[in-house]
Amino acid sequence: QSALTQPASVSGSPGQSITISCTGTSSDVGTYNLVSWYQQHPGKAPKLMIYEGSKRPSGISNRFAGSKSGNTASLAISGLQAEDEADYYCCSYAGSSLYVFGSGTKVTVL
Amino acid sequence: EVQLVQSGAEVKKPGESLKISCKGSRYSFASYWISWVRQMPGKGLEWMGRIEPSDSYTSYSPSFQGHVSISVDKSINTAYLQWNSLEVSDSAMYYCARRQWSSDAFDIWGQGTMVTVSS
Repeated sequence: QSALTQPASVSGSPGQSITISCTGTSSDVGTYNLVSWYQQHPGKAPKLMIYEGSKRPSGISNRFAGSKSGNTASLAISGLQAEDEADYYCCSYAGSSLYVFGSGTKVTVL
Repeated sequence: EVQLVQSGAEVKKPGESLKISCKGSRYSFASYWISWVRQMPGKGLEWMGRIEPSDSYTSYSPSFQGHVSISVDKSINTAYLQWNSLEVSDSAMYYCARRQWSSDAFDIWGQGTMVTVSS
């Protein structure tokens, strides 16, 4: 069960849009529409941003949007703000009550 | 407010045993799976395993199977992560997280427990 693959870093200027990819396999991302995304600020616990691929929990800005194509899920952040600077992790259900996280992406707001 | 509150930081020696806890409050604890997640210093999140408080059914990541055990005492709304013999490489932050109702995502997280293993 290998970690899902994410780019190590993504950056953008305030107001711009960025996209973070999360590549898995046909055993996890490709089979289940159960990818979630988490935001983690330094020294803090992760926070759920997207679940079931594209659904936002209550209170999460619609600037965050999730999608999936084949074995790759994506998180798009539009109207980038300074507060969006954080680490982002994807996570997928992998069958048999198992889960796998992505390698993590550091988002920098220039 | 629904929350998970974890036990405090621990400093242990290699070979020692350890049990850390995660207490849920303001929700039906027995109805939601609890997972444990490791984060080594400067590294990413790793899913370790989970437990169903209603019947104590567990499943583990192959990477952690046999090295840790997860248990629960639903009478006091508390889940546990336990080691029988710690290694230096177990030094990390450990989070518990609640599986969202009817969805495979983790909606509530504990504040984390830092475990340091050093001789």
